[in-house]
Amino acid sequence: QVQLVQSGAEVKKPGSSVKVSCKASGGSFSSRTISWVRQAPGHGLEWMGGIIPIFGAAKYTQRFQGRLTITADESTSTAYMELSGLRSEDTAIYYCTRDHASVGMTFDPWGQGTLVTVSS
Amino acid sequence: EIVMTQSPATLSVSPGERATLSCRASQSVSSNLAWYQQKPGQAPRLLIYGASTRATGIPARFSGSGSGTEFTLTISSLQSEDFAVYYCQQSDNWPGTFGQGTKVEIK
Repeated sequence: QVQLVQSGAEVKKPGSSVKVSCKASGGSFSSRTISWVRQAPGHGLEWMGGIIPIFGAAKYTQRFQGRLTITADESTSTAYMELSGLRSEDTAIYYCTRDHASVGMTFDPWGQGTLVTVSS
Repeated sequence: EIVMTQSPATLSVSPGERATLSCRASQSVSSNLAWYQQKPGQAPRLLIYGASTRATGIPARFSGSGSGTEFTLTISSLQSEDFAVYYCQQSDNWPGTFGQGTKVEIK
């Protein structure tokens, strides 16, 4: 059973960038989509985009086009999410997750989440 | 983008009672619908996929039904550990949009 372990909390200034990592262990990494989902305080879940590591090309939702970069390193089974041009509204918990074995765009398992706080 | 609407926003239920949560899609998603449970301070957990298939390790008291635009998650007899927020999510069309969540609280 794969486990996803994310990097620790970050505090960033407005206008800067943040890069969060997600390391997979115990299962297949390269062939299924790794996605990033965020949750602002007291709010619901928002899918940002994803990548199939073996192919390398990421796909982003329109809201994050131009600000979001998702990459993956097959050699270390680690995916990365970099968000630039940070603003206060980007304060959220960022989760990585992987496609379910049987169903695409269905998320299981999830990382533990990384809190990103944007504050001057 | 498909809009997912959940109702009610909050459901107050006594332990041992049945809970019924609804999810509506703005257009048909066939049976490509998942349900997740999220407890405070935790990541979401997949409960149901394909509208009605329980994920590994999910108790039988959780069941999902529906197709097209109308879906239901039923918890047959609420246990203390079931009080949480539940999200539906469509996996039919990119991007896989989530509903806004239903909070199941103790009555």
